[in-house]
Order: sequence, then C-alpha cells, then structure tokens
Amino acid sequence: GENVEQHPSTLSVQEGDSAVIKCTYSDSASNYFPWYKQELGKGPQLIIDIRSNVGEKKDQRIAVTLNKTAKHFSLHITETQPEDSAVYFCAAWVPTSGTYKYIFGTGTRLKVLA
Amino acid sequence: SQTIHQWPATLVQPVGSPLSLECTVEGTSNPNLYWYRQAAGRGLQLLFYSVGIGQISSEVPQNLSASRPQDRQFILSSKKLLLSDSGFYLCAWSPGQDLTQYFGPGTRLLVL
Repeated sequence: GENVEQHPSTLSVQEGDSAVIKCTYSDSASNYFPWYKQELGKGPQLIIDIRSNVGEKKDQRIAVTLNKTAKHFSLHITETQPEDSAVYFCAAWVPTSGTYKYIFGTGTRLKVLA
Repeated sequence: SQTIHQWPATLVQPVGSPLSLECTVEGTSNPNLYWYRQAAGRGLQLLFYSVGIGQISSEVPQNLSASRPQDRQFILSSKKLLLSDSGFYLCAWSPGQDLTQYFGPGTRLLVL
C-alpha cells in the first residue's frame, strides 16, 4: 500500500548550521508534497509545499527539493535558529477515489543547539 | 481569513464513557474536513474525512464515529471509550478541491 518513509527520526544541529530531512514515497501518482512543523502541544503548521511540476521551491531559509524519478523529496533549513526546534512531518498526497488523502511520514524531531 | 477551532483543548475521561469532540471552521464555505489521531511521539493517522454535510468516509475501523451536521462543523464521537483511544486528536480542513490541508490546535484526550 501507500507508504512515506522519513529520515532521520531525530536530528541535532548547532545554531547556524543547516538541517536536511528526507522522505521517500511509494505511489508514483502522488503529485503534491507538503511539509509541516509541529511545536509541542500544538497542531502542525504548513511551512512549505511542492508540486510535481517543479524540482525545487524556496522560502527564505527553507527549501524543498523533489526527485520524482527516485520518488523522494527533502526539506532543507539553512542558518538554523533555536526556534526551528520542533517535529517536522512530510506528507504525500495519494489520489484515492477522487478525494484528497495524505500519507504522513513518522516525523523528525529537530533540536537546534544554541 | 480562515480559522479552525477545536474544543475542548484537553479532556480526561474514564474508560467506557462517551466522547464528543468538536471542530469548526470559519471564513470559508464547503471545506473538506478531516479527523486525525496522533499517538505520543508518532505520526498522524487519518480517521475520517468529509467532503460535504452528512458525507463521512472512514479510514480505520474502530469504535469512533464522525458526523458533519453543518457545513463548517465536524464532530468526532464515541459511545464507549477504550484506553487505546488516548491521543492527540487533530481536525484539519482544505478548501474544496485544493490539496493543502490546515490543522487546528488539537484536543489531547486521556482515557483512564
């Protein structure tokens, strides 16, 4: 069935360094890939997304890259700051009977060390 | 702008008691609505989704049910809670045919 694998499960970086989180998906029909940031006790917040007609998208310190051939996409955070510490989830949209269903990765806990 | 609310924020219930969690969306019409459950330290599991009033699709067989009595109201219910129902329940919405989903603040449920 549909599956999204996310790595690593935990990631610690020094403030100012870059962080990279990778996800792979199994359904080649998937064409929309959002990334969410979840702070402790709160709902996930959309931080960036990418559609399959582009290979890269940037928004200030955050970027997402997509390789449709290999079926993987990555989140890149540059110049990390302590407030970037959170759990990050990737997701892939799976076409299911005409509705919009996400398959989520299992999350990456990012710790930015000051 | 659109906002999504969930009520209550936290809930402690005994095993066997009923459950009713509410989600409401403001600032949009005819949204797609979703209920997810997140176990501690885990990913998000889709429970139910709805594309319109009275239209509910279930993703996981369990003792939970969902209803959509109004366009922007989504309710998650149970007649008898189990210990395994504990978790963080998230409601989300998407604007009709748009793929982007936006999450609410969540309800933390502890079943004792």
